[in-house]
Amino acid sequence: QSVLTQPPSASGTPGQSVTISCSGSSSNIPTNTVNWYQQVPGASPKLLIYSNRQRPSGVPDRFSGSKSGTSASLAISGLQSEDEAHYYCAAWDDDLKVVLFGGGTQLTVL
Amino acid sequence: EVQLVESGGGLVKPGGSLRLSCAASGFSFSSHTMNWVRQAPGKGLEWVSSISDSSTYINQADSVKGRFTISRDNAKNSLYLEMNSLRAEDTAVYYCARGLCDGGVCFLGEMDAWGRGTTVTVSS
Repeated sequence: QSVLTQPPSASGTPGQSVTISCSGSSSNIPTNTVNWYQQVPGASPKLLIYSNRQRPSGVPDRFSGSKSGTSASLAISGLQSEDEAHYYCAAWDDDLKVVLFGGGTQLTVL
Repeated sequence: EVQLVESGGGLVKPGGSLRLSCAASGFSFSSHTMNWVRQAPGKGLEWVSSISDSSTYINQADSVKGRFTISRDNAKNSLYLEMNSLRAEDTAVYYCARGLCDGGVCFLGEMDAWGRGTTVTVSS
């Protein structure tokens, strides 16, 4: 069971916006950077957002990250079919001294 | 081009051992924290272990403490994972991942390059 909690699924139609949440606790999200990974079926994970809201080179600005208190969110605007993937949040935990991954959210583009 | 190529996976019996390797190229390996992350069949990502650029700092998941050992050889641009006392629940694809470092500062959990993974199956 993940200490970072994500909804197991999310969906939207092309062009819509969707938000995926990541809920943690006082020992992880508030005091450490939150990162988001995208994993398309059959492929390796890809860094999508780092340091809460930064995008690596090549990641479209349709993807944005935010953090407030013990929660973080990944927002995707202008949904496209190629956004269909699993999305994972990750953060360091000060008490457990481990990197935590959320359980993952499967995004379906209807 | 940044490349990470894992090797060493395979089928092993419970209680057995394996040594995974990750060959890095296309970047200054000795300047980055490195990580192993695994994914059991049909499951999510699980961080396994991290090692700092000069091997000074090592962190591990509780699930592998005392059984797995991470190491690196900066002269060979290689990362390793020695796995002992393997269990069925260690069955997974094991990914090598580069830590994102900016000006010598690296935050654990930020991994900006990943290999394709190597599969470890623990079964009798």
